[in-house]
Amino acid sequence: NAGVTQTPKFQVLKTGQSMTLQCAQDMNHNSMYWYRQDPGMGLRLIYYSASEGTTDKGEVPNGYNVSRLNKREFSLRLESAAPSQTSVYFCASIVSGGTDTQYFGPGTRLTVL
Amino acid sequence: GESVGLHLPTLSVQEGDNSIINCAYSNSASDYFIWYKQESGKGPQFIIDIRSNMDKRQGQRVTVLLNKTVKHLSLQIAATQPGDSAVYFCAENGGGTSYGKLTFGQGTILTVHP
Repeated sequence: NAGVTQTPKFQVLKTGQSMTLQCAQDMNHNSMYWYRQDPGMGLRLIYYSASEGTTDKGEVPNGYNVSRLNKREFSLRLESAAPSQTSVYFCASIVSGGTDTQYFGPGTRLTVL
Repeated sequence: GESVGLHLPTLSVQEGDNSIINCAYSNSASDYFIWYKQESGKGPQFIIDIRSNMDKRQGQRVTVLLNKTVKHLSLQIAATQPGDSAVYFCAENGGGTSYGKLTFGQGTILTVHP
C-alpha cells in the first residue's frame, strides 16, 4: 500500500513548455485534490475531483487543467508554463466515509524559467 | 472564500517543553478542523482532527482545543522532541457543501532545540 504517489519529483521547464503531473492513490479513495504551495505559504487548492468522472475548480485554477483518468489517477496539466507557476505541487486524496481528512503525496517541485 | 490564519509564524522551544501552536479561523460554518505537520521536502502529514461539536480532543502527546466562541484552534504538543521540528498547518473544511475542500492557514514553524 503506497498511499498517494506523485511523478515526477522534480521538474524544470522553460516558459511556454507544457507538462503533466501525475498522481495515483491505491487507497480506493473517491475524492482527489491538487494543491500548490509557494514559499512560506499554506496550500492553495487548484482543482479537485469529488468522484470519478467529475472535476471542479478550486481557489487558483487559472493556467491548469486536470483529468480524472479513473478512480486511482488524477493528473494536472500545465499547457503553457509561466514563471508564476513555479511552486511545489501536492496531490491529496480523501478517506471515503464521511471525514474530510486528506492524505498527501510527497510533492512535485516545479521550476519554470 | 474565508481563510484560516495563524497568530505566530515561528515558535522555538527547548526539548522537553510543551508547545502550543495557535490558529484563528473566520468561517463560522466550518465544522471540521485538522492539524497537519509538514517536514522539509515532504507532504503534509495528518496529526489530529476535531469536529465542531467537540472542544477538546487528545492524541498521543498532542491535544487540539477548539473555542468556537472566539473562533480559535490550538495544537498542544507535550514533551516536545527534536523530531517535532516542522511546519504545522491548521485547516478547516468550510462546512456545508464544501465537503472535502480544505482551507489552510499559513503555517507555524516549530523549532525544537536539544
